[in-house]
Amino acid sequence: GQNIDQPTEMTATEGAIVQINCTYQTSGFNGLFWYQQHAGEAPTFLSYNVLDGLEEKGRFSSFLSRSKGYSYLLLKELQMKDSASYLCAVRDRDTDKLIFGTGTRLQVFP
Amino acid sequence: DVKVTQSSRYLVKRTGEKVFLECVQDMDHENMFWYRQDPGLGLRLIYFSYDVKMKEKGDIPEGYSVSREKKERFSLILESASTNQTSMYLCASSLLTGGDHGYTFGSGTRLTVV
Repeated sequence: GQNIDQPTEMTATEGAIVQINCTYQTSGFNGLFWYQQHAGEAPTFLSYNVLDGLEEKGRFSSFLSRSKGYSYLLLKELQMKDSASYLCAVRDRDTDKLIFGTGTRLQVFP
Repeated sequence: DVKVTQSSRYLVKRTGEKVFLECVQDMDHENMFWYRQDPGLGLRLIYFSYDVKMKEKGDIPEGYSVSREKKERFSLILESASTNQTSMYLCASSLLTGGDHGYTFGSGTRLTVV
């Protein structure tokens, strides 16, 4: 079966660091994606991990541990515009489709 | 940049109407997908297509059909709209082999069925 879990909501303060966790169980794994989605808009690509370790891209970093079925998205120097939903998605090795978590709604306060 | 264009941002339709949601992508992607997104339920796959005239059911195909007559266009059809189909509909496309960006999404169509 396939299951992706991430927290429903998180809050943080402007300028702080926040870590959004994602755990997954899939029958076959071929990469993990993080997307950002502002209210009423389309999801946009943030990061991709297929090997274990940390991928850094500016203020955003994403980590993957395949043996633990675990990823996190790290957002540094939070800005108000980072208030959005963050979707974790796993690509199934057999079908090549993305399976999405329900998303984590992050609110950044001044 | 890949562009995925959905024809309408907002639609209001009456129960029982036949509804067409259009999606066009301009980067020659083989794969196209239709999702609906509802609060607390995340993205749920309705139908997808790996090639022209090819379609596969996703997780929630009931009440929907699709058409892919040209590679760049993937249409979602609600045969007889019902109030429980009120939702945000997202179209996406990707390369056949997936790639490292996953899917590119359209801006979404917020459909309200009254």
